[in-house]
Amino acid sequence: DAGVTQSPTHLIKTRGQQVTLRCSPKSGHDTVSWYQQALGQGPQFIFQYYEEEERQRGNFPDRFSGHQFPNYSSELNVNALLLGDSALYLCASRGEVDSNTEAFFGQGTRLTVV
Amino acid sequence: LAKTTQPISMDSYEGQEVNITCSHNNIATNDYITWYQQFPSQGPRFIIQGYKTKVTNEVASLFIPADRKSSTLSLPRVSLSDTAVYYCLVGVAYSGAGSYQLTFGKGTKLSVIP
Repeated sequence: DAGVTQSPTHLIKTRGQQVTLRCSPKSGHDTVSWYQQALGQGPQFIFQYYEEEERQRGNFPDRFSGHQFPNYSSELNVNALLLGDSALYLCASRGEVDSNTEAFFGQGTRLTVV
Repeated sequence: LAKTTQPISMDSYEGQEVNITCSHNNIATNDYITWYQQFPSQGPRFIIQGYKTKVTNEVASLFIPADRKSSTLSLPRVSLSDTAVYYCLVGVAYSGAGSYQLTFGKGTKLSVIP
């Protein structure tokens, strides 16, 4: 059973460009969340999708947007990249929406903005 | 969500039991306590979750005193592979209508020494 898979694993972009990161949730999971983790910090919540809708959003600007597809996979889009957007971007999925069961994380996408 | 305080770092020798304490003085009545483990360049991995008293699984134990203002993650007989960052999370991650958010602090960096 494949866990949460993210692509690409590494990415280098130039300031001002746009980037799209992809996530496939663990089999049987229908809720996907995205987190940003800067070096030496804990992951910070960006937003969460369920039933193809954004259900909750953290303190991130509108440059960060997302989408969830009918097969539960998700994309994170970041426009007008800044140097400060360099981070590890993590995707997490869950299977039981009405509970506090744990989230499963992918290995992340390391984004470097130059 | 309740603020948590945990040591920035800890060192331990192989084979020893490691206890990491997390303070959460303003924990709410319906808050759960959850611990995640993260290796470098990987996503966090769920270790254990509890509400009160003691919880044990195949990986760790979680001790929660009656006032729930702190909790202790206990790792029995650590090995070099337990070197990682350990995060204590407090709160009700699920807030209804499919919404789910995890709030991470900076975590405790555990270094296991041969």
